[in-house]
Amino acid sequence: EIMMTQSPATLSVSPGERVTLSCRASQSVSSDLAWYQQKPGQAPRFLIYGSSIRATGIPDRFSGSGSGTEFTLTISSLQSEDFAVYYCQQYHNWPPLTFGQGTRLEIK
Amino acid sequence: EVQVVESGGAVVQPGGSLRLSCAASGITLNNYDVNWVRQAPGKGLEWVSHISSSGNKIEYLDSVKGRFTISRDYAKNSLSLQMNSLGAEDTAVYYCLANSWFGGLLTLYWGQGTLVTVSS
Repeated sequence: EIMMTQSPATLSVSPGERVTLSCRASQSVSSDLAWYQQKPGQAPRFLIYGSSIRATGIPDRFSGSGSGTEFTLTISSLQSEDFAVYYCQQYHNWPPLTFGQGTRLEIK
Repeated sequence: EVQVVESGGAVVQPGGSLRLSCAASGITLNNYDVNWVRQAPGKGLEWVSHISSSGNKIEYLDSVKGRFTISRDYAKNSLSLQMNSLGAEDTAVYYCLANSWFGGLLTLYWGQGTLVTVSS
């Protein structure tokens, strides 16, 4: 089973700042990595797949990068609606599909 | 607008059974691979089960093998997750996740989730 580790667990940032979230895989997942955003009481929202491809309708302030075992999600200028929990997920070697434990973005 | 809708969540006693359903509007669910993903209260996301669009590929999380069964109803354009021998560890919001690859592009839709509570 591929373990996904996200860091940090919580990030306190101010609106307008640029932020980078990290995700590490326990073994190579090539570029088979997705990112999701989840707000309290809501279903996750599909953001990124293929490590760097934005899903339909996702603003271009969200960008993903990385391959192999190291990945990042960058939000170029944080908007108020971006404060949420972010999960990475690998789909390279499954079952099981595996998620990171999440990074919470909170307002500083 | 695409909507994926789960139903069937309830409070059930330990050892009991429950059947969750997943349906969609705006897409033909029969043409999508579907995964069930759950989220225990205050916890992260955990994949539970997968069924391919053809129904030929079915996979389960180890901890639910032999207890959960995923199946499709092509006539009704829906699918279900039969859950037996439920334990407290199965308490979670269960999400239905439909995805399709076409032309190298991934389309993916989440349902709003249905809550399963296992408690006496």
